[in-house]
Amino acid sequence: AQTVTQSQPEMSVQEAETVTLSCTYDTSENNYYLFWYKQPPSRQMILVIRQEAYKQQNATENRFSVNFQKAAKSFSLKISDSQLGDTAMYFCAIRLMDSNYQLIWGAGTKLIIKP
Amino acid sequence: NAGVTQTPKFRILKIGQSMTLQCTQDMNHNYMYWYRQDPGMGLKLIYYSVGAGITDKGEVPNGYNVSRSTTEDFPLRLELAAPSQTSVYFCASSLWTESSYEQYFGPGTRLTVT
Repeated sequence: AQTVTQSQPEMSVQEAETVTLSCTYDTSENNYYLFWYKQPPSRQMILVIRQEAYKQQNATENRFSVNFQKAAKSFSLKISDSQLGDTAMYFCAIRLMDSNYQLIWGAGTKLIIKP
Repeated sequence: NAGVTQTPKFRILKIGQSMTLQCTQDMNHNYMYWYRQDPGMGLKLIYYSVGAGITDKGEVPNGYNVSRSTTEDFPLRLELAAPSQTSVYFCASSLWTESSYEQYFGPGTRLTVT
């Protein structure tokens, strides 16, 4: 069975600092996608960034980037120049290519950006 | 473009009551999903559908039923509500192609069973 572990229940940083959220996963499959979703207090789930396992290059989206280490099964999210609007729960998730298209989710990390 | 809409936003049920959570998407997505999110936890898949007329169980289907009579709608039915079903419920949809796999989420329904 696939599992996703987020070892940091809560983190807080000052505005404009850089923060890294960790995620490790366990799967015996070789083809999969990894995602980071953001859930602000509004409860809406918003896709932040995704990574295809077959791509060696780390994905980036503006201030958000990942450090994907396939051998170590690690998928951390780096947020640069953090902003107050980044305050949210962040969830890591994996989707197997041969699964029934379901996402397996981590328990989340609560990120607080302090002014 | 509304995306994925869910109704109601909040609901309180008494033990043993039944209700239907509505979900509609206007993106012509073939895949739709129902998740529940318990406090401090990630999402768990209840049911999913790969197209109209086709549904299948996810990780936690007990106590729920779904139907998919149209591409747009994917209602979730709770029969005989129990306190263990107190949770936030999310509906999501996606268009499965080689290059498109993002799931789009509705705003959620907060359900309390007392």
